[in-house]
Amino acid sequence: AQSVTQPDIHITVSEGASLELRCNYSYGATPYLFWYVQSPGQGLQLLLKYFSGDTLVQGIKGFEAEFKRSQSSFNLRKPSVHWSDAAEYFCAVGARGGATNKLIFGTGTLLAVQP
Amino acid sequence: KAGVTQTPRYLIKTRGQQVTLSCSPISGHRSVSWYQQTPGQGLQFLFEYFSETQRNKGNFPGRFSGRQFSNSRSEMNVSTLELGDSALYLCASSTGTGESETQYFGPGTRLLVL
Repeated sequence: AQSVTQPDIHITVSEGASLELRCNYSYGATPYLFWYVQSPGQGLQLLLKYFSGDTLVQGIKGFEAEFKRSQSSFNLRKPSVHWSDAAEYFCAVGARGGATNKLIFGTGTLLAVQP
Repeated sequence: KAGVTQTPRYLIKTRGQQVTLSCSPISGHRSVSWYQQTPGQGLQFLFEYFSETQRNKGNFPGRFSGRQFSNSRSEMNVSTLELGDSALYLCASSTGTGESETQYFGPGTRLLVL
């Protein structure tokens, strides 16, 4: 069965520090992978996605993620965090094969940014 | 291009009532998916509609249903509301022409069941 694990429920970083949010997935083949961000009371905004090709993908707001097949991971990184990055971050996988857009989400990582 | 819109944004109902939520996808998008978000269960897939047909369904009871209209707008209905149905209901749209395309989410409808 497909699943996504985000081991860190809550992370606090100082403004200007680097950030890495972890995501591990379980899937029989290479899935489609996504990172979304959710601000309080808002919907989900797509940060970046991996479908195929280059394993290092760039997204919006200075975020990037690296797909590592051997580790079944898709960690999100940002070199310098801004206070406005405080939000909840969700990793998601989508299935290959079959006409479906179903996404399976991780439990999310809540990011707090200290001044 | 306007984003995904959901109405209403907030809703308060009592147990046993039913509720209908509405979602208007991005213009040109034909696939609409619905998700439930709760603190305990996280984000869970409810169902997906494409060209007025349900294409995929999550593991929810039959009280949860949906439909899609010819203009791609979608509604979901929850009958006989339970306290546990209190959640943020998110709608997402995509073009629907491929598998696992990029989905764009609306702001959600927050439902409180008393």
